[in-house]
Amino acid sequence: GQNIDQPTEMTATEGAIVQINCTYQTSGFNGLFWYQQHAGEAPTFLSYNVLDGLEEKGRFSSFLSRSKGYSYLLLKELQMKDSASYLCAVHSLGNQFYFGTGTSLTVIP
Amino acid sequence: EADIYQTPRYLVIGTGKKITLECSQTMGHDKMYWYQQDPGMELHLIHYSYGVNSTEKGDLSSESTVSRIRTEHFPLTLESARPSHTSQYLCASSEYYRADYGYTFGSGTRLTVV
Repeated sequence: GQNIDQPTEMTATEGAIVQINCTYQTSGFNGLFWYQQHAGEAPTFLSYNVLDGLEEKGRFSSFLSRSKGYSYLLLKELQMKDSASYLCAVHSLGNQFYFGTGTSLTVIP
Repeated sequence: EADIYQTPRYLVIGTGKKITLECSQTMGHDKMYWYQQDPGMELHLIHYSYGVNSTEKGDLSSESTVSRIRTEHFPLTLESARPSHTSQYLCASSEYYRADYGYTFGSGTRLTVV
């Protein structure tokens, strides 16, 4: 089966840095995605990793270690609008995407 | 401006009714998906399609059917709605050969069956 684990909730202060971890065990691996989902809205694409290492995109960075089945999303210079759920998703063999339950991030002043 | 459209946005319907949730995309994507998501829970794949006349069941059996007669259109039908079908339904699409682009999601249909 597929198993993707993320912390359920996190709280961080405006202007700070926060790291959201994701571990996965899937049958095959074609890439790992991070999505942002605001309450009541659809998920939006943030990042994609298929090789080990760090991918940086402005204030957001994502890291992957395939040997450890581990990824993290790093958010810098947190803003209030970053309060949202962050979904880790693995693209496995068979062309399927499997999503974690998401990490609900609350940014406080 | 959305490239993938879902209608209706909200729907309240009685038990036993037949309903169709619409999803259309203008990006020419071959792959399309339907997910079900309860509040605070993970997305569960219901159905997916690799292209015209291709449909497959996902992990979650929701007593629904889909069709893919045109590339841009992927409707989901519930033959007989039940209260257990109350949920948010998200449609998504992706390019077949560009996994790095991930999904583009529609805004979702929030369904309540009473």
